[in-house]
Amino acid sequence: ETGVTQSPTHLIKTRGQQVTLRCSSQSGHNTVSWYQQALGQGPQFIFQYYREEENGRGNFPPRFSGLQFPNYSSELNVNALELDDSALYLCASSSMAGKNTEAFFGQGTRLTVV
Amino acid sequence: AQSVTQLDSQVPVFEEAPVELRCNYSSSVSVYLFWYVQYPNQGLQLLLKYLSGSTLVKGINGFEAEFNKSQTSFHLRKPSVHISDTAEYFCAVSGPFANDMRFGAGTRLTVKP
Repeated sequence: ETGVTQSPTHLIKTRGQQVTLRCSSQSGHNTVSWYQQALGQGPQFIFQYYREEENGRGNFPPRFSGLQFPNYSSELNVNALELDDSALYLCASSSMAGKNTEAFFGQGTRLTVV
Repeated sequence: AQSVTQLDSQVPVFEEAPVELRCNYSSSVSVYLFWYVQYPNQGLQLLLKYLSGSTLVKGINGFEAEFNKSQTSFHLRKPSVHISDTAEYFCAVSGPFANDMRFGAGTRLTVKP
């Protein structure tokens, strides 16, 4: 059983650029959630994908978008990067098979916008 | 909407001493409560969760937490800490399908020799 993997682990981008972060969910999980964790803060919910559809969204602008693929892996895309987008981006996978089963987190992608 | 407040941003404690990390929540609906631990440069690891049933929940690494509905609290405790417990601890709340998990700001636990 493989865990949640995220790529890349670190990334440096310039303000105004676009970035794509990737997440492979744990085997058997059909739900992926994305979180932004700024330095010294708790994770903030960005959105969740279930069976390739967005299933809830936090207070993030439309330039944060996502995809989920048939194998349940997921991408987080951020357009027009801003300095404040610098953060650790965490992906978590879970299963909708039962109520509130455990969410397993990846190691995160550290994004630095300069 | 749900929210979480972690009452202490930093908790220093000596090795083998007991510790309590405090968490209060607010919600208009039934909640599910979680404690996660984050070691430097790593993701989050689930320590324990409360979904229903017994209000005293036992987790990994000797941690436990008590759900108190009247006080809307979910404090994390450990009777004797180790140096290896030094980490950031996050309390979180969600609805039934974890599609909007809200985290607290975190408590930095530092265990000193």
